[in-house]
Amino acid sequence: EVVLTQSPATLSLSPGERATLSCRASQSVGTSLAWYQQRPGQAPRLLIYDAFNRATGIPARFSGSGSGTDFTLTISSLDPEDFAVYYCQQRNNWPVTFGQGTRLEIK
Amino acid sequence: EVQLLESGGGLVQPGGSLRLSCVASGFTFSNYAMTWVRQAPGKGLEWVSTLTGGGGTTYYTDSVKGRFTISRDNSKNTVFLQMNSLRDEDTAVYYCAKFLASTSGSIFDYWGQGTLVTVSS
Repeated sequence: EVVLTQSPATLSLSPGERATLSCRASQSVGTSLAWYQQRPGQAPRLLIYDAFNRATGIPARFSGSGSGTDFTLTISSLDPEDFAVYYCQQRNNWPVTFGQGTRLEIK
Repeated sequence: EVQLLESGGGLVQPGGSLRLSCVASGFTFSNYAMTWVRQAPGKGLEWVSTLTGGGGTTYYTDSVKGRFTISRDNSKNTVFLQMNSLRDEDTAVYYCAKFLASTSGSIFDYWGQGTLVTVSS
């Protein structure tokens, strides 16, 4: 099973700042990696798929990069609605696996 | 507008059974694989099972193999998760989700609101 390790576990930033979230895979997943946002009490929301493609309706401040084992989700300028938990997910190998999440909190 | 609506959750004793349903609308249901993902209280996301659009191929995480069965009724735009021999560790919110495209692989672009399953005596 591919283990995804997200860092940091918690990121404390202020609105307007830049956020950089990391996801490292235990083996190469190519570019078969997605990012999801989950706000409290809500279902996850697809942000980025195949490492760098923004999903429909996702603002341009969200961007993804990376390949192989190291991936990054960047939020260029934090909006108050962006404070949430973020998960990475790989689909290169069965079973599908998710990272443990990064909590983005208001500083 | 794509909508996914889960139902069937509740409180069940260890060893018991539940059947979850997810009714879909707003897309051609039979063209898309569907999946179930769960989230234990205060924990992260865990993929549970996937079923192809035609219903011919299923996938399960190891911890539910032999206990859970995913199925679908394309005439009713519904995917099911039959859960037997339930354990305490199956307690979670269960989400159904749709694949991004018929050929996209496991990218989940729409999710339901979730249904809570609590396994406890």
